[in-house]
Amino acid sequence: EAQVTQNPRYLITVTGKKLTVTCSQNMNHEYMSWYRQDPGLGLRQIYYSMNVEVTDKGDVPEGYKVSRKEKRNFPLILESPSPNQTSLYFCASTPVASTYNEQFFGPGTRLTVL
Amino acid sequence: GENVEQHPSTLSVQEGDSAVIKCTYSDSASNYFPWYKQELGKRPQLIIDIRSNVGEKKDQRIAVTLNKTAKHFSLHITETQPEDSAVYFCAASFSGGYNKLIFGAGTRLAVHP
Repeated sequence: EAQVTQNPRYLITVTGKKLTVTCSQNMNHEYMSWYRQDPGLGLRQIYYSMNVEVTDKGDVPEGYKVSRKEKRNFPLILESPSPNQTSLYFCASTPVASTYNEQFFGPGTRLTVL
Repeated sequence: GENVEQHPSTLSVQEGDSAVIKCTYSDSASNYFPWYKQELGKRPQLIIDIRSNVGEKKDQRIAVTLNKTAKHFSLHITETQPEDSAVYFCAASFSGGYNKLIFGAGTRLAVHP
């Protein structure tokens, strides 16, 4: 089944404890991105990757890191999480880096930072 | 920066009524406008999209209209059903980045039987 997966789905952690949220797609998509969803703010892009080893900042990159060593995986790293990073996170992928492509979202990761 | 404004933030209708959600965008070079539906606890999924060379697009009970001059676009849902209850996000392409979408804040639609 073609899909985007994320792990973990739920995570409660404490300030400063490094964490990684994994994202994987099995559709051979080139373009992947991370969003955070907050009430009243919609979906805001954190980072994106146009292909392997090519990543760039989105609109809210502060406090996050990403890597793209393989086409299928695009992990989101929080080196020192803070309470303002409590949010619902979505990974998304599209076949190519073209404006007109549908974005396929993962199931989401709900992160709480205490 | 570029942004997309979406109204209303909440919308409540009776089953069978129509629902309209409106969005305004700021990037005059935007040329792609998708709408995503997010059911409670689920991921956003594309329901309809429109490109800038088209003024209207329809798919069964849903339609999207685009006014490029005024820089706004709308989602129309006719004969609403309880399963239409969800959060709807509009988005506009951003000319400064590949595949970059700017999303609106979302509209929570409740359809009451």
